[in-house]
Amino acid sequence: AQSVTQLGSHVSVSEGALVLLRCNYSSSVPPYLFWYVQYPNQGLQLLLKYTSAATLVKGINGFEAEFKKSETSFHLTKPSAHMSDAAEYFCAVTYSGGSNYKLTFGKGTLLTVNP
Amino acid sequence: NAGVTQTPKFQVLKTGQSMTLQCAQDMNHEYMSWYRQDPGMGLRLIHYSVGAGITDQGEVPNGYNVSRSTTEDFPLRLLSAAPSQTSVYFCASRRPGQGASGANVLTFGAGSRLTVL
Repeated sequence: AQSVTQLGSHVSVSEGALVLLRCNYSSSVPPYLFWYVQYPNQGLQLLLKYTSAATLVKGINGFEAEFKKSETSFHLTKPSAHMSDAAEYFCAVTYSGGSNYKLTFGKGTLLTVNP
Repeated sequence: NAGVTQTPKFQVLKTGQSMTLQCAQDMNHEYMSWYRQDPGMGLRLIHYSVGAGITDQGEVPNGYNVSRSTTEDFPLRLLSAAPSQTSVYFCASRRPGQGASGANVLTFGAGSRLTVL
């Protein structure tokens, strides 16, 4: 079964500091990987996705993620945190073959940005 | 505005009551799904549909029913609500397309917060 593990349920950074949110996936076939963001009292919005093209994926709001097959990782980074980045972030995985309608989410990482 | 619309936004039920959470999308998306979100659990798939007349179970289907009579609508029914069904429910849909170009980019509704007493 497909799965993702997000390391750290809560990450706190200072404004202007590097943001690093960790995601590892389990897979025996090539995955599609996603990062979604959820602002308070809202639904989820797509930040970026990896679909087997470039391993470094750039998303909205200055975020990017790098697919590393050898490490089965897809960590999300942003060079300089902004107060508006405070939200919950979800990593998700699915696969290109078989029943690829099912998107499996990690448990989420709550990002706090301190002034 | 185009998108996924969920109603109601908030609902309080007593144990044993029934209700339906409504979900509608106007993007002609074939695929629709329901997730529940609980603290520390992420989002878990309840049921999904790949088109009108076709539904299937997700990870946590027990206690929920769905139907898909039209492309636009995908209601979620709780026949006999239990406190364990207290959660935030999200409906999400996806445009057609396989492979990398259409790889499972879900559009989410704003959510329905359900409390079962």
